[in-house]
Amino acid sequence: GENVEQHPSTLSVQEGDSAVIKCTYSDSASNYFPWYKQELGKRPQLIIDIRSNVGEKKDQRIAVTLNKTAKHFSLHITETQPEDSAVYFCAASEGGFKTIFGAGTRLFVKA
Amino acid sequence: SQTIHQWPATLVQPVGSPLSLECTVEGTSNPNLYWYRQAAGRGLQLLFYSVGIGQISSEVPQNLSASRPQDRQFILSSKKLLLSDSGFYLCAWSVNPGYTFGSGTRLTVV
Repeated sequence: GENVEQHPSTLSVQEGDSAVIKCTYSDSASNYFPWYKQELGKRPQLIIDIRSNVGEKKDQRIAVTLNKTAKHFSLHITETQPEDSAVYFCAASEGGFKTIFGAGTRLFVKA
Repeated sequence: SQTIHQWPATLVQPVGSPLSLECTVEGTSNPNLYWYRQAAGRGLQLLFYSVGIGQISSEVPQNLSASRPQDRQFILSSKKLLLSDSGFYLCAWSVNPGYTFGSGTRLTVV
């Protein structure tokens, strides 16, 4: 089955700096890669996703890149703000079904 | 619009007691439904998924079971809780693709 590895487990950046979170997946059949943000005590919420036919997608300060050959994808947050502090999860699935999540990255943005 | 309801929000149960968590979705038909568990400070572990009424697949052997008696209702149960069942339980649904999660149930087994 699918296995998703996520790094780093904890990331601390200064406000205004960029943050990068990286994930690798094992199942070459995976074709949908969402990212979720979970604030303390709350539900994970989808912030951006990418399909395997696209190499990069951007939404304001957030971007995701995908390298299908190497089976890895990354989340990039630019101009970080304190409200970006949260746990971020990458995930992989085949068509959005039975999504497998990474272990999460706890992001701290220091003001 | 589609919404997902999950209850209760918090639950404290003694070891050996039964469990029933309920999740319902509105505004969609024949959704894929999922139960995930999140241990403190950890990732999301897929417990069960369902593609239709009465169709349940289990991802990991455990002390829990799931049922889907109606198209938009998904129930997580246990006959006898263990301490290791403590965690944050999240119901989710997807049509295609992407998940919408319920608000979660924080279960503490004491």
